[in-house]
Amino acid sequence: EAQVTQNPRYLITVTGKKLTVTCSQNMNHEYMSWYRQDPGLGLRQIYYSMNVEVTDKGDVPEGYKVSRKEKRNFPLILESPSPNQTSLYFCASSLVRGEQFFGPGTRLTVL
Amino acid sequence: QQPVQSPQAVILREGEDAVINCSSSKALYSVHWYRQKHGEAPVFLMILLKGGEQKGHEKISASFNEKKQQSSLYLTASQLSYSGTYFCGTRGRDDKIIFGKGTRLHILP
Repeated sequence: EAQVTQNPRYLITVTGKKLTVTCSQNMNHEYMSWYRQDPGLGLRQIYYSMNVEVTDKGDVPEGYKVSRKEKRNFPLILESPSPNQTSLYFCASSLVRGEQFFGPGTRLTVL
Repeated sequence: QQPVQSPQAVILREGEDAVINCSSSKALYSVHWYRQKHGEAPVFLMILLKGGEQKGHEKISASFNEKKQQSSLYLTASQLSYSGTYFCGTRGRDDKIIFGKGTRLHILP
């Protein structure tokens, strides 16, 4: 089944404790992206990647890192999470310039 | 640079029509439309590429006016299953995708 998977689905952590949210797709898509969704603000792009070893900043990249060492994986790293990074995070993948397939979301709470 | 969607929210009775607008201040390569139901991930509806095309998808269609940098989503004879939040996403030459804040659509029986 074609899908985008994210782990964990829910995470509660404390300020400053490094964490990684994994994202994996099995559709051989070149384009992968991370979004955060906050009430009233819509989906905001954090980082995106056009292919392996190619990543670019989206609209809200501060406080986040990503890597794209393999085509299927695009982890999101929060080196020192803060409470303002409490949000719902979505990973998505697509063919270049095609429809995006979203993962199920990761709800992160930073205390 | 975030595209502006209007209206912010709309309530309809089943069978009525709705139009959701998306307007951008920057030159666009394409416009994407997605629907998100509460607690779920966004689901793709359609993509419109520059060239002023109009696409249809059962009773949901959309148009893209490249010159005006605007797109509209048309829902005709709405069904209860159309309820949700609709997002437009605009893509420029840099391949960044910027989503609007969404339009909440609620369909009453």
